[in-house]
Amino acid sequence: EAGVAQSPRYKIIEKRQSVAFWCNPISGHATLYWYQQILGQGPKLLIQFQNNGVVDDSQLPKDRFSAERLKGVDSTLKIQPAKLEDSAVYLCASSDAGASYNSPLHFGNGTRLTVT
Amino acid sequence: AQRVTQPEKLLSVFKGAPVELKCNYSYSGSPELFWYVQYSRQRLQLLLRHISRESIKGFTADLNKGETSFHLKKPFAQEEDSAMYYCALSGGSGTYKYIFGTGTRLKVLA
Repeated sequence: EAGVAQSPRYKIIEKRQSVAFWCNPISGHATLYWYQQILGQGPKLLIQFQNNGVVDDSQLPKDRFSAERLKGVDSTLKIQPAKLEDSAVYLCASSDAGASYNSPLHFGNGTRLTVT
Repeated sequence: AQRVTQPEKLLSVFKGAPVELKCNYSYSGSPELFWYVQYSRQRLQLLLRHISRESIKGFTADLNKGETSFHLKKPFAQEEDSAMYYCALSGGSGTYKYIFGTGTRLKVLA
């Protein structure tokens, strides 16, 4: 099966600019996650979708971050305006959670964002 | 609060030595526990999950509910085991919310 696809792989922007990341999950996976991984830390959940509905966005900085999942498939994560502390790798993951409570996460390669 | 703790940022062992990567968790309920691994220049991927009670690449992990631990073990480390290892917890009333620890970098020395 094709894996989780993310683009772009790298992005460098100046603070206060906006940026968007795209994710295409594994076909048929109902659950999609966006994680932020700052250097030296573990992945931190930003938002979780079940189909096209938001399940958890409690750690998403909603004043600057937004995410959507149209038609329950692809998803985009946007930052506007970016701050220096947003420099991180943004990971997208999907799972077939409807099939099993223990369904593993399948990760994309991530987008490395550098804010200068 | 839900939390996963990996106390060691770096663990260095010699090839052939036993390995134990520590993981402790805090969760009010019955979580599912996992170990994920990230090899150099590869994406994060599942190594094993406690429900499967399986051994993957010689690694095993036992869930100890009394000590709220899920340590990862391997009797004889190999150089190709060098990677970042993340302990993760899934739970939350069917929302399958995943929480990750901060990770431990394992270096296996020749």
